[in-house]
Amino acid sequence: EAQVTQNPRYLITVTGKKLTVTCSQNMNHEYMSWYRQDPGLGLRQIYYSMNVEVTDKGDVPEGYKVSRKEKRNFPLILESPSPNQTSLYFCASSPLGTGDYGYTFGSGTRLTVV
Amino acid sequence: GQNIDQPTEMTATEGAIVQINCTYQTSGFNGLFWYQQHAGEAPTFLSYNVLDGLEEKGRFSSFLSRSKGYSYLLLKELQMKDSASYLCAVRDSNNAGNMLTFGGGTRLMVKP
Repeated sequence: EAQVTQNPRYLITVTGKKLTVTCSQNMNHEYMSWYRQDPGLGLRQIYYSMNVEVTDKGDVPEGYKVSRKEKRNFPLILESPSPNQTSLYFCASSPLGTGDYGYTFGSGTRLTVV
Repeated sequence: GQNIDQPTEMTATEGAIVQINCTYQTSGFNGLFWYQQHAGEAPTFLSYNVLDGLEEKGRFSSFLSRSKGYSYLLLKELQMKDSASYLCAVRDSNNAGNMLTFGGGTRLMVKP
Protein backbone atom coordinates (compact mmCIF):
# COMPACT_ATOMS: atom_id res chain seq x y z
CA GLU A 1 0.00 0.00 0.00
CA ALA A 2 1.33 3.43 -0.99
CA GLN A 3 1.84 5.44 2.16
CA VAL A 4 3.83 7.88 4.24
CA THR A 5 4.76 6.47 7.63
CA GLN A 6 5.53 8.74 10.55
CA ASN A 7 6.72 7.69 13.98
CA PRO A 8 5.94 8.15 16.75
CA ARG A 9 2.24 9.12 16.71
CA TYR A 10 2.44 10.68 20.16
CA LEU A 11 5.46 11.96 22.06
CA ILE A 12 5.83 13.78 25.36
CA THR A 13 9.31 15.02 26.13
CA VAL A 14 11.15 17.52 28.31
CA THR A 15 12.73 20.79 27.29
CA GLY A 16 16.20 20.37 25.81
CA LYS A 17 16.12 16.62 25.20
CA LYS A 18 16.98 15.93 21.57
CA LEU A 19 14.41 14.00 19.58
CA THR A 20 13.85 12.71 16.06
CA VAL A 21 10.56 12.16 14.29
CA THR A 22 10.92 9.71 11.44
CA CYS A 23 9.17 9.85 8.07
CA SER A 24 9.35 7.24 5.34
CA GLN A 25 7.52 6.93 2.03
CA ASN A 26 7.32 3.93 -0.33
CA MET A 27 6.20 5.73 -3.50
CA ASN A 28 9.61 6.80 -4.82
CA HIS A 29 8.59 10.44 -4.49
CA GLU A 30 11.25 13.07 -5.01
CA TYR A 31 9.58 15.75 -2.91
CA MET A 32 9.14 15.52 0.86
CA SER A 33 8.14 18.16 3.36
CA TRP A 34 7.44 18.76 7.05
CA TYR A 35 4.58 20.87 8.38
CA ARG A 36 3.41 21.87 11.79
CA GLN A 37 -0.22 22.62 12.50
CA ASP A 38 -1.39 24.84 15.32
CA PRO A 39 -4.91 26.07 16.15
CA GLY A 40 -5.77 29.16 14.12
CA LEU A 41 -2.51 29.04 12.16
CA GLY A 42 -3.15 26.26 9.67
CA LEU A 43 -0.38 24.19 8.11
CA ARG A 44 3.01 25.89 8.16
CA GLN A 45 5.96 24.46 6.29
CA ILE A 46 9.13 23.78 8.28
CA TYR A 47 11.53 22.25 5.76
CA TYR A 48 11.29 20.57 2.41
CA SER A 49 13.45 18.44 0.15
CA MET A 50 13.35 18.05 -3.60
CA ASN A 51 15.67 15.06 -3.73
CA VAL A 52 18.46 13.26 -1.93
CA GLU A 53 20.86 15.68 -0.25
CA VAL A 54 18.71 18.66 -1.35
CA THR A 55 16.89 20.40 1.50
CA ASP A 56 15.65 23.93 2.05
CA LYS A 57 13.91 26.01 4.68
CA GLY A 58 10.20 26.58 4.71
CA ASP A 59 8.34 29.30 6.56
CA VAL A 60 9.14 28.26 10.15
CA PRO A 61 12.52 26.45 10.21
CA GLU A 62 13.92 27.82 13.49
CA GLY A 63 14.68 25.09 16.02
CA TYR A 64 14.48 22.25 13.50
CA LYS A 65 16.87 20.28 11.34
CA VAL A 66 16.28 17.73 8.59
CA SER A 67 18.33 15.37 6.47
CA ARG A 68 17.71 13.48 3.24
CA LYS A 69 20.36 10.80 2.90
CA GLU A 70 18.01 8.37 1.18
CA LYS A 71 15.08 9.07 -1.10
CA ARG A 72 12.52 7.34 1.09
CA ASN A 73 13.44 8.90 4.47
CA PHE A 74 13.16 12.48 5.71
CA PRO A 75 13.60 12.70 9.50
CA LEU A 76 12.80 15.84 11.48
CA ILE A 77 15.27 16.60 14.26
CA LEU A 78 14.70 18.86 17.25
CA GLU A 79 18.12 19.36 18.81
CA SER A 80 16.85 21.21 21.89
CA PRO A 81 13.05 21.14 22.01
CA SER A 82 11.18 23.98 23.69
CA PRO A 83 7.54 24.26 24.79
CA ASN A 84 6.70 26.48 21.78
CA GLN A 85 7.41 23.45 19.59
CA THR A 86 4.44 21.65 21.08
CA SER A 87 2.34 21.01 17.99
CA LEU A 88 0.90 18.50 15.55
CA TYR A 89 3.46 17.60 12.89
CA PHE A 90 2.84 16.15 9.44
CA CYS A 91 5.21 14.74 6.88
CA ALA A 92 4.11 14.82 3.25
CA SER A 93 5.48 13.55 -0.05
CA SER A 94 4.76 14.08 -3.73
CA PRO A 95 6.24 13.53 -7.16
CA LEU A 96 7.88 16.61 -8.60
CA GLY A 97 6.28 18.57 -11.40
CA THR A 98 2.68 19.26 -12.29
CA GLY A 99 -0.33 17.02 -12.44
CA ASP A 100 -3.45 16.12 -10.55
CA TYR A 101 -1.59 14.68 -7.61
CA GLY A 102 -1.15 16.65 -4.45
CA TYR A 103 0.57 15.56 -1.31
CA THR A 104 0.28 12.27 0.50
CA PHE A 105 0.41 12.96 4.23
CA GLY A 106 1.61 10.83 7.08
CA SER A 107 -0.71 10.17 10.02
CA GLY A 108 0.80 12.92 12.12
CA THR A 109 2.89 13.19 15.28
CA ARG A 110 1.47 14.99 18.28
CA LEU A 111 4.43 16.39 20.20
CA THR A 112 4.22 17.87 23.68
CA VAL A 113 7.30 19.55 25.17
CA VAL A 114 7.09 20.22 28.90
CA GLY B 1 3.96 34.29 -2.61
CA GLN B 2 0.30 33.51 -2.32
CA ASN B 3 -2.54 34.83 -0.19
CA ILE B 4 -5.23 32.23 0.32
CA ASP B 5 -8.42 33.16 2.13
CA GLN B 6 -11.25 30.94 3.26
CA PRO B 7 -13.84 31.32 6.01
CA THR B 8 -12.75 30.08 9.42
CA GLU B 9 -15.95 28.27 10.34
CA MET B 10 -19.26 27.24 8.82
CA THR B 11 -22.28 25.41 10.14
CA ALA B 12 -24.81 23.45 8.10
CA THR B 13 -27.60 20.96 8.62
CA GLU B 14 -27.52 17.27 7.81
CA GLY B 15 -28.94 16.61 4.35
CA ALA B 16 -28.36 20.18 3.16
CA ILE B 17 -25.87 21.65 0.68
CA VAL B 18 -22.92 23.82 1.72
CA GLN B 19 -20.46 25.85 -0.34
CA ILE B 20 -16.99 26.64 1.01
CA ASN B 21 -15.24 29.48 -0.79
CA CYS B 22 -11.55 30.07 -1.35
CA THR B 23 -9.90 33.10 -2.90
CA TYR B 24 -6.25 33.28 -3.79
CA GLN B 25 -3.64 35.58 -5.25
CA THR B 26 -0.72 34.01 -7.04
CA SER B 27 1.67 35.00 -9.80
CA GLY B 28 2.03 31.59 -11.43
CA PHE B 29 -1.15 29.59 -10.79
CA ASN B 30 -0.67 25.91 -11.56
CA GLY B 31 -3.48 24.07 -9.82
CA LEU B 32 -5.79 24.22 -6.83
CA PHE B 33 -6.46 21.39 -4.41
CA TRP B 34 -9.06 20.75 -1.74
CA TYR B 35 -8.28 18.51 1.23
CA GLN B 36 -10.47 17.19 4.02
CA GLN B 37 -9.04 16.92 7.51
CA HIS B 38 -10.79 15.37 10.49
CA ALA B 39 -9.63 16.62 13.88
CA GLY B 40 -6.19 15.27 14.77
CA GLU B 41 -5.88 13.31 11.53
CA ALA B 42 -3.95 13.77 8.30
CA PRO B 43 -5.41 15.81 5.44
CA THR B 44 -6.77 13.65 2.64
CA PHE B 45 -7.08 14.65 -1.00
CA LEU B 46 -10.57 15.58 -2.24
CA SER B 47 -10.23 17.37 -5.57
CA TYR B 48 -8.00 19.11 -8.07
CA ASN B 49 -8.77 21.93 -10.51
CA VAL B 50 -6.39 23.49 -13.00
CA LEU B 51 -8.85 24.63 -15.70
CA ASP B 52 -11.94 26.78 -15.22
CA GLY B 53 -15.15 24.98 -14.48
CA LEU B 54 -16.71 22.40 -12.26
CA GLU B 55 -15.26 19.02 -11.32
CA GLU B 56 -17.80 16.62 -9.83
CA LYS B 57 -16.98 13.64 -7.68
CA GLY B 58 -20.01 12.07 -6.08
CA ARG B 59 -21.38 14.31 -3.33
CA PHE B 60 -18.41 16.68 -3.65
CA SER B 61 -17.79 19.18 -6.46
CA SER B 62 -15.13 21.82 -6.88
CA PHE B 63 -15.26 24.90 -9.06
CA LEU B 64 -12.48 27.14 -10.31
CA SER B 65 -12.36 30.57 -11.92
CA ARG B 66 -8.76 31.49 -12.67
CA SER B 67 -9.58 35.03 -13.80
CA LYS B 68 -11.25 35.74 -10.46
CA GLY B 69 -8.77 33.83 -8.32
CA TYR B 70 -11.71 31.94 -6.86
CA SER B 71 -12.68 28.39 -6.07
CA TYR B 72 -15.42 26.72 -4.11
CA LEU B 73 -16.04 23.26 -2.72
CA LEU B 74 -19.67 22.16 -2.82
CA LEU B 75 -20.84 19.40 -0.51
CA LYS B 76 -24.28 17.93 -1.18
CA GLU B 77 -26.51 15.72 0.98
CA LEU B 78 -24.44 16.53 4.03
CA GLN B 79 -23.74 13.76 6.48
CA MET B 80 -22.55 14.02 10.07
CA LYS B 81 -19.22 12.48 9.04
CA ASP B 82 -18.61 15.51 6.81
CA SER B 83 -17.87 17.53 9.96
CA ALA B 84 -14.20 18.32 9.38
CA SER B 85 -11.85 21.06 8.27
CA TYR B 86 -11.54 21.73 4.54
CA LEU B 87 -8.23 23.05 3.29
CA CYS B 88 -7.74 24.97 0.06
CA ALA B 89 -4.20 24.74 -1.36
CA VAL B 90 -2.63 26.40 -4.39
CA ARG B 91 0.34 25.32 -6.47
CA ASP B 92 2.41 28.09 -7.98
CA SER B 93 4.80 27.45 -10.86
CA ASN B 94 7.15 29.98 -9.28
CA ASN B 95 7.52 27.75 -6.24
CA ALA B 96 10.38 25.32 -6.15
CA GLY B 97 9.32 21.81 -7.00
CA ASN B 98 5.72 20.97 -6.35
CA MET B 99 5.15 23.11 -3.30
CA LEU B 100 1.61 23.76 -2.23
CA THR B 101 0.60 26.72 -0.10
CA PHE B 102 -2.35 26.04 2.19
CA GLY B 103 -5.10 28.29 3.38
CA GLY B 104 -6.00 28.30 7.06
CA GLY B 105 -8.84 25.84 6.56
CA THR B 106 -12.60 26.06 7.05
CA ARG B 107 -14.03 24.13 9.97
CA LEU B 108 -17.42 22.74 8.96
CA MET B 109 -19.86 21.61 11.63
CA VAL B 110 -22.79 19.52 10.46
CA LYS B 111 -25.76 19.54 12.83
CA PRO B 112 -28.66 17.08 12.92
